[in-house]
Amino acid sequence: AQSVSQHNHHVILSEAASLELGCNYSYGGTVNLFWYVQYPGQHLQLLLKYFSGDPLVKGIKGFEAEFIKSKFSFNLRKPSVQWSDTAEYFCAVWMDSSYKLIFGSGTRLLVRP
Amino acid sequence: DTGVSQNPRHKITKRGQNVTFRCDPISEHNRLYWYRQTLGQGPEFLTYFQNEAQLEKSRLLSDRFSAERPKGSFSTLEIQRTEQGDSAMYLCASSDQPFESEAFFGQGTRLTVV
Repeated sequence: AQSVSQHNHHVILSEAASLELGCNYSYGGTVNLFWYVQYPGQHLQLLLKYFSGDPLVKGIKGFEAEFIKSKFSFNLRKPSVQWSDTAEYFCAVWMDSSYKLIFGSGTRLLVRP
Repeated sequence: DTGVSQNPRHKITKRGQNVTFRCDPISEHNRLYWYRQTLGQGPEFLTYFQNEAQLEKSRLLSDRFSAERPKGSFSTLEIQRTEQGDSAMYLCASSDQPFESEAFFGQGTRLTVV
């Protein structure tokens, strides 16, 4: 079955620490890949996206993600987190056979000042 | 604000009652999606429309759930005979060609069944 896995459910970091959140999917066809962020009390917002081309994509607020096709992964990174990055992060995958986004279970990030 | 709009933002209902939620997508977006999100989980797909046609329904969408998009613009999601297990955040999203996979989400309607 098509699925998206986020391995880290809760992450706690201090400000200025580096961040990497894992995302893997199970599908062998063409995918579009997304990371969404949900700040406390707010709606889901698009952080970054990958459709094709350079597998390293840059998003808002200094986030980036790398698509590694051979590993079916799309990990999110940020070199230096800030307290304001405290939020829940969702990986989502659009598989060309399904016409809908399939989400991972999310990673709750807490950044301590 | 030209984003996706959902009403109401919160709904508390007694078990067994019917509820209806409304979603206004971004103007002229031809695709509209409904998702459900429970605590600690990512959004789960419920159904989607291409214009007024409902093209796919998840198995999560029991017979008590019905969604419509009568004129290809706004959509409603109705839950009949609500159960406590229906308590969740109901999210609406819309997208458009050529980037139909890029979905824009509304604030959601939080349903609490007591």
